Amino acid sequence: GQQLNQSPQSMFIQEGEDVSMNCTSSSIFNTWLWYKQEPGEGPVLLIALYKAGELTSNGRLTAQFGITRKDSFLNISASIPSDVGIYFCAGPIQGAQKLVFGQGTRLTINP
Amino acid sequence: DGGITQSPKYLFRKEGQNVTLSCEQNLNHDAMYWYRQDPGQGLRLIYYSQIVNDFQKGDIAEGYSVSREKKESFPLTVTSAQKNPTAFYLCASSIRGSSSAFFGQGTRLTVV
Repeated sequence: GQQLNQSPQSMFIQEGEDVSMNCTSSSIFNTWLWYKQEPGEGPVLLIALYKAGELTSNGRLTAQFGITRKDSFLNISASIPSDVGIYFCAGPIQGAQKLVFGQGTRLTINP
Repeated sequence: DGGITQSPKYLFRKEGQNVTLSCEQNLNHDAMYWYRQDPGQGLRLIYYSQIVNDFQKGDIAEGYSVSREKKESFPLTVTSAQKNPTAFYLCASSIRGSSSAFFGQGTRLTVV
């Protein structure tokens, strides 16, 4: 079935650094979603992308829908402690209204 | 305020007992979903429902059951047939035709 592969699996950075993570698939997706999950909570939608090549920002977060429609990227600029969490990419399975999720990228920030 | 409410947040059950997790939404969303999350892993789809009185199995439906008698509610029953029920369970909902799902805060089920 359709699967999403996220990398890296975990990141350990200093406060103030920029962060980049990506998500790839062997299948084409028409929508890419990026979620953040904090410990013990449900994921929160950060950014939704609907068109190949689209670049969308939400504050210090920027996400891009890859031209091939098989990948997406999330960047966080000037990281702060509250950015800590697990970031998931997700996309809808073709022909069905259900999402498939990547394994997540766990972000840890050293103050 | 509109949102998705899961209850309880923590649940403990003895092995062999069925347990039902509650999920209620007042967002007027047609579609609702149940996901399971294990430590260090992504979300896996258990069941989903696009309209009232209809639901479909996800990738890991064995040992679970659901009902959708009302638009607002989508309870999940973890049965004794589920071999490894201890996990974090997440409910989500979305507007029909939209892929953007909104999540509840989750229920952590521990079976002892």
